[in-house]
Amino acid sequence: RKEVEQDPGPFNVPEGATVAFNCTYSNSASQSFFWYRQDCRKEPKLLMSVYSSGNEDGRFTAQLNRASQYISLLIRDSKLSDSATYLCVVAGGNKLVFGAGTILRVKS
Amino acid sequence: NAGVTQTPKFQVLKTGQSMTLQCAQDMNHNSMYWYRQDPGMGLRLIYYSASEGTTDKGEVPNGYNVSRLNKREFSLRLESAAPSQTSVYFCLRQRGETQYFGPGTRLLVL
Repeated sequence: RKEVEQDPGPFNVPEGATVAFNCTYSNSASQSFFWYRQDCRKEPKLLMSVYSSGNEDGRFTAQLNRASQYISLLIRDSKLSDSATYLCVVAGGNKLVFGAGTILRVKS
Repeated sequence: NAGVTQTPKFQVLKTGQSMTLQCAQDMNHNSMYWYRQDPGMGLRLIYYSASEGTTDKGEVPNGYNVSRLNKREFSLRLESAAPSQTSVYFCLRQRGETQYFGPGTRLLVL
């Protein structure tokens, strides 16, 4: 079983839609959690950290459920520019473990 | 590129050739990582370095060596390249929640 698992998608949504991605992790000792965004042929970039209390950054909301060992990302009012691959990242000790990513395509 | 440079950007090697991928950061971050990214596999950790002079194996270290001689640079060496090492290689620097990737090196091994 992979340490971090994501639905690869693609998720095809119209502009303005709300879309949610989940990610599960297997190491219960994991300490930190992040979402990254990666555009085609570019390096991944940190989108936001994920906290147990949940956190919001504009149209993006991240949640962590330690008991069930999953994190989620909610995107409201999707824009064409949100089209990308979203990577879930779990950190423990000195290691950052990445999920394989979920592809989002927002269409007009 | 958020203070992380990688060289070269592209490289074509023949099987059996050697090469070193360079990564340098302009911040004083302790932690640096090397990942490879392949279609459908996501980013897989090759090696990481928690501080100058220390390195540890990640998920896929076979066929690679690394060197962290100073805080600024973390190099990845392929002693005898194989077609299975065709990939995009990313270097990452990290301090807590501050994390930045370099632009990547695209490597093709024929």
